Amino acid sequence: AQSVTQPDIHITVSEGASLELRCNYSYGATPYLFWYVQSPGQGLQLLLKYFSGDTLVQGIKGFEAEFKRSQSSFNLRKPSVHWSDAAEYFCAVITSGTYKYIFGTGTRLKVLA
Amino acid sequence: EPEVTQTPSHQVTQMGQEVILRCVPISNHLYFYWYRQILGQKVEFLVSFYNNEISEKSEIFDDQFSVERPDGSNFTLKIRSTKLEDSAMYFCASSDRARTDTQYFGPGTRLTVL
Repeated sequence: AQSVTQPDIHITVSEGASLELRCNYSYGATPYLFWYVQSPGQGLQLLLKYFSGDTLVQGIKGFEAEFKRSQSSFNLRKPSVHWSDAAEYFCAVITSGTYKYIFGTGTRLKVLA
Repeated sequence: EPEVTQTPSHQVTQMGQEVILRCVPISNHLYFYWYRQILGQKVEFLVSFYNNEISEKSEIFDDQFSVERPDGSNFTLKIRSTKLEDSAMYFCASSDRARTDTQYFGPGTRLTVL
C-alpha cells in the first residue's frame, strides 16, 4: 500500500537558521507530491507541488523542495526560518488512478527567537 | 483570493445523534472532498465527489456517512448516528479538475462526540 513517512514529529530551530523537513513515500511509480502547512486554527495551505519536470520546485513563503527519485524523497527546505513559519507541515501524495491525498503524519515546527 | 469555508468551526454532539457538517467550496471548482484528522493522527481521506456522485471513498466512509451537494454552493457531510470515535477535525477540500489538480482545504470543523 502507498504510504508517506515524515520521520520527524517535532523540529525546533532558531530564527534565521536553515530548515529541512523530510518526507519519504512508498509507491512504485512517481506520484504527484505536495507540501501543505497548517497554522493553528487554519486550514491546510499549499506550499508547493511536484508533478514532473525540474526536480527542484519553488513554493510560497520562500520554501523549496527537491524530488529525489532514487531516495523516494521530497524534502522541504528553507534557507532562513522566520518566527511566523512555526506551524505543522504535511507532505502528501496522489497516486495513479485515485483522487485521494495520502498524508504523512506531519512535522510540527517550533521557531525560537 | 477565493477560499473554502466550513461551518460550524466546532460542533459538540451526543453519541447517537446525527450531525451535518457544511462546506462552501470554491465557486468554480468541480471536485469536492472530505478528510478527517483524529487528534494526534494523520489526515485521512474520506470521500471524493464529482458530478453529483461519489467518485471514490475510503473504508472509513461506511453507511453512517453520506455526502450531498444540495444546491450550487454547499457540500455537506452527514454522520447519521455519531460514535465516540467520530470525534475528529473534518476538512473539506475542492479542486478545479481531476486528481492532478491542487486541492484547496477549508479551516476544518472540530467534531466532539460525548
